[in-house]
Amino acid sequence: QKEVEQNSGPLSVPEGAIASLNCTYSDRGSQSFFWYRQYSGKSPELIMFIYSNGDKEDGRFTAQLNKASQYVSLLIRDSQPSDSATYLCAVNKDNTGKLIFGQGTTLQVKP
Amino acid sequence: GAVVSQHPSRVICKSGTSVKIECRSLDFQATTMFWYRQFPKQSLMLMATSNEGSKATYEQGVEKDKFLINHASLTLSTLTVTSAHPEDSSFYICSALAPSGGGHTDTQYFGPGTRLTVL
Repeated sequence: QKEVEQNSGPLSVPEGAIASLNCTYSDRGSQSFFWYRQYSGKSPELIMFIYSNGDKEDGRFTAQLNKASQYVSLLIRDSQPSDSATYLCAVNKDNTGKLIFGQGTTLQVKP
Repeated sequence: GAVVSQHPSRVICKSGTSVKIECRSLDFQATTMFWYRQFPKQSLMLMATSNEGSKATYEQGVEKDKFLINHASLTLSTLTVTSAHPEDSSFYICSALAPSGGGHTDTQYFGPGTRLTVL
């Protein structure tokens, strides 16, 4: 079992819809959870991080964390074609700052 | 947000030469930086953890003598690919840890990456 698992996709949604990206992790002791976006040929950029169970909202993005189910998700409201990218889920298991990345989910937002 | 720069953004070199890549944290001090490599359509692969003032910690399978890392200051880490060969051609990305505050784990911010092509 991989430490951090994501469906590679592609996930295709129409413009204006809600895109839901999911991630599961294996280590129950994981502390912090991050979502990064990576456009083709570019480096990852941080979207948001979440530490506590529940929802965290930032603009069109909402991160959801459920530690009991070892599950973290990212919702993108009012999806735009410019949101088309690979979304990387990353988990920090300890306090070193080292991240374990999932394989990434490719999102396609169709006009 | 925290800003990380990398230089050069792109480099083409002949086989057998060495290439140095710089990673700088521009608006914060970074005790720890990370170096990744990414091949086309593949996920990020962590190569090493760079700690200011001490030796880097390399991931399993990464050759220490091939990929030299120096973290001489709180804002600069360098990766030198020694005696580069075509199979070293890849996208090299650094990241730097910035404080998140509130007692939580620090956050990694990535540089823009360096695309290395070895002929």
